[in-house]
Amino acid sequence: NAGVMQNPRHLVRRRGQEARLRCSPMKGHSHVYWYRQLPEEGLKFMVYLQKENIIDESGMPKERFSAEFPKEGPSILRIQQVVRGDSAAYFCASSLENSPLHFGNGTRLTVT
Amino acid sequence: QKEVEQNSGPLSVPEGAIASLNCTYSDRGSQSFFWYRQYSGKSPELIMFIYSNGDKEDGRFTAQLNKASQYVSLLIRDSQPSDSATYLCAVRGTGSGNTPLVFGKGTRLSVIA
Repeated sequence: NAGVMQNPRHLVRRRGQEARLRCSPMKGHSHVYWYRQLPEEGLKFMVYLQKENIIDESGMPKERFSAEFPKEGPSILRIQQVVRGDSAAYFCASSLENSPLHFGNGTRLTVT
Repeated sequence: QKEVEQNSGPLSVPEGAIASLNCTYSDRGSQSFFWYRQYSGKSPELIMFIYSNGDKEDGRFTAQLNKASQYVSLLIRDSQPSDSATYLCAVRGTGSGNTPLVFGKGTRLSVIA
């Protein structure tokens, strides 16, 4: 019974490049959430998606960031033209209807 | 702005003692409450959740909820060094049962052997 799968675990990008983070939810889970965590900080909500729909993107920066959860395949968080301030741990979580969130192992993004 | 407040710690307790972790939240309409444990460099792991006022026990863990005071706590009995971690309080506010969780910054717990 696989949990939430995220890849890559570590991603290094130079300033100006694009970062693509992938998340496969737990089997049967249709709700996907992306959170960002800076060192010594709490988890900050970014976006909530269901299959093919963005439900809540109130925590997503207006520029350079986008997310999708296509009918087939994993959810993708895309960061265009990365800057040093984007360096963080990005966690994906999934859930059943009206249920707690279960987190993946995260992607640690480093922008050099 | 929905907020969840936790004392950042560190909270140090001797092995075998009871650790008490506290959390307050600002959204009076919040419906459900969660405690996650996060080891350094790892992902958050769900420990417990509570929806109704009162106590909920699971093994060495007890979650306590007081909606009138907008306060939720986690007690860890017989604390072990392996319990040393950051404990995150999370709150699901009004709206659907799938509303994103709002997290506090966490309390760092250190259990001294």
